[in-house]
Amino acid sequence: ETGVTQTPRHLVMGMTNKKSLKCEQHLGHNAMYWYKQSAKKPLELMFVYNFKEQTENNSVPSRFSPECPNSSHLFLHLHTLQPEDSALYLCASSQDTTAAGGFFGQGTRLTVV
Amino acid sequence: GDSVTQMEGPVTLSEEAFLTINCTYTATGYPSLFWYVQYPGEGLQLLLKATKADDKGSNKGFEATYRKETTSFHLEKGSVQVSDSAVYFCALRRVSGGYNKLIFGAGTRLAVHP
Repeated sequence: ETGVTQTPRHLVMGMTNKKSLKCEQHLGHNAMYWYKQSAKKPLELMFVYNFKEQTENNSVPSRFSPECPNSSHLFLHLHTLQPEDSALYLCASSQDTTAAGGFFGQGTRLTVV
Repeated sequence: GDSVTQMEGPVTLSEEAFLTINCTYTATGYPSLFWYVQYPGEGLQLLLKATKADDKGSNKGFEATYRKETTSFHLEKGSVQVSDSAVYFCALRRVSGGYNKLIFGAGTRLAVHP
């Protein structure tokens, strides 16, 4: 248990569906991250929020839409996804410059059919 | 830009064998270095870290030493167990804009057989 909770753990969605992934941390961290982990590829940083402001967007397609309503919650809204978007989506948090590298959630396994 | 290179897997060992997973990095300055472990079906867990040259991180029998001269942070364990079977990620931390940015290697899968 790292203190970062992701829901749901598994999600199957059609290409026309809209769904959301949720991440929650009560560690008092001010930075939250979305990563994508695909088979046989390095972890890809998607988005970074620092103090609720988006500070990094690594050329992620607009069908992925992040939202950070407060410093404890981070969402990833999904719409019109493609099968190649199937992956493990990992959320992480950290406390600015003094933290360990980051605390990760268990991930959401997404399958797009 | 910053990058991390790990040895390709899978690494297959018998129980009680010695483990080495190589990791080298490219970065300006002296970033903090980490090893993360991912067990099947789980997220990443921090295994150990080192924040400056010659530091040795250790946890659960695993060790890694921050070698500035060779820009390496190789992971070692003297006697692996079946329960160590997982994917291991080497990473460096860059502080950017007041927050941490982790750059990961591709991961090395370890399979330990009885």
